[in-house]
Amino acid sequence: NAGVMQNPRHLVRRRGQEARLRCSPMKGHSHVYWYRQLPEEGLKFMVYLQKENIIDESGMPKERFSAEFPKEGPSILRIQQVVRGDSAAYFCASSPRGQGGTEAFFGQGTRLTVV
Amino acid sequence: KNEVEQSPQNLTAQEGEFITINCSYSVGISALHWLQQHPGGGIVSLFMLSSGKKKHGRLIATINIQEKHSSLHITASHPRDSAVYICAVDNTDKLIFGTGTRLQVFP
Repeated sequence: NAGVMQNPRHLVRRRGQEARLRCSPMKGHSHVYWYRQLPEEGLKFMVYLQKENIIDESGMPKERFSAEFPKEGPSILRIQQVVRGDSAAYFCASSPRGQGGTEAFFGQGTRLTVV
Repeated sequence: KNEVEQSPQNLTAQEGEFITINCSYSVGISALHWLQQHPGGGIVSLFMLSSGKKKHGRLIATINIQEKHSSLHITASHPRDSAVYICAVDNTDKLIFGTGTRLQVFP
């Protein structure tokens, strides 16, 4: 049973380009969470999705960021017109049900560098 | 004030020492997690606690719900334990993280 898979592991984008980060949850998990870790800072919640639904996006910047978790395929975190401040590690976690009281399974993260 | 506070921020130890990392939180929780992150690496779940104490190998985690406090202990520390240890609490279906404790264990 493969763990949470994120790709790419490293992504370099020029300012103004788009970044697409992918997350395939563990088999049987239908809940996906995205977290961001800025350099020298702690992890922060961004968005919580179930298949085809955004449940909580209270941690996501209002502009340029979007997330989806389609019926088929991985969850995608999309950042349009990236800026230097978007450089961070983005982690995905999955669970078989809502996080409350459920063990957290994390991916290896995608490290985005904006140049 | 952060909702999840960890101490110390940085910790150095000699191989074999007993280590304690503390976590205090100010929100209601359904569970508390201890996570480990190696430099440039992914995040690994060590424990999930809602009460009492858990042990796995040389690692022990405790939680006191009334005092809103948890501790992570490492017995007989080893250089391979060097990592960042992160406390996170389950709050309304998302995790709130502490800023982490950077541990370095020297041979």
